[in-house]
Amino acid sequence: AQSVTQLDSQVPVFEEAPVELRCNYSSSVSVYLFWYVQYPNQGLQLLLKYLSGSTLVKGINGFEAEFNKSQTSFHLRKPSVHISDTAEYFCAVLTGAGSYQLTFGKGTKLSVIP
Amino acid sequence: NAGVTQTPKFQVLKTGQSMTLQCAQDMNHNSMYWYRQDPGMGLRLIYYSASEGTTDKGEVPNGYNVSRLNKREFSLRLESAAPSQTSVYFCASSLKGAGYGYTFGSGTRLTVV
Repeated sequence: AQSVTQLDSQVPVFEEAPVELRCNYSSSVSVYLFWYVQYPNQGLQLLLKYLSGSTLVKGINGFEAEFNKSQTSFHLRKPSVHISDTAEYFCAVLTGAGSYQLTFGKGTKLSVIP
Repeated sequence: NAGVTQTPKFQVLKTGQSMTLQCAQDMNHNSMYWYRQDPGMGLRLIYYSASEGTTDKGEVPNGYNVSRLNKREFSLRLESAAPSQTSVYFCASSLKGAGYGYTFGSGTRLTVV
C-alpha cells in the first residue's frame, strides 16, 4: 500500500519570498504524484501532476514540483509567493494510471505574511 | 459550467438520523468519488464508482452507503448518523481513473450532535 507524508503541517513565509512544501511517498511500484490546493471554504483544485517524462513539472499559478525517485520525494516550490497563495496544499499518490484510489497526505497550510 | 455540484452545503443532524448527500457532475466523467476531510487527517476515500453501475469501498466505508444513480449522479447515504461522522464531505469526479485528475465539488459541512 502507498502512503504520503507531508513533513510540515504549517509553513509561514513572507510575501515575495520563495517557498518549498515537502512531500515524501512510499510505494514499491511505479507511482503517479499530484499536488492539490484548497482555498478557504472551497473544494480542492489540481495544481500539477507527474505521470511520466520530465521530472520537473510545472503547474498553475507559478508552482512547480520535482519528482525524485531515489529520495521518494515530490516537493512543491514557488520562487516568489503572493498573499493569494495562502491556502492548504495536499500531496497525493496513485499507484497505476488506471487506479481509482488517490491517497492524500494530511496537508500543509501555507500562510503568506504581508 | 457547473462542474461538480453538491447539496446541501451545510447540515446538522441528531445522532441516529439519516440523510443523503447529493452529488452531480456535468462533465461526462465516468468515475466519481466520495471523500471526507477531517482536521489534520487529510482526505480519506469513503466510496468510489469507477463507472456507471459499479461502486467500491474505499478506506473508510463503515456507516455509509452509496448509489450511482446514473452517469451524472452519485449519492452518499448515512443510515444512522453518529458524532464520529461530523466532517466535511467532498464529492469528486474524473474522466476515467484518478490519473486524469479529480474535479472536486465545494463540499458539504455535516455536524452530528
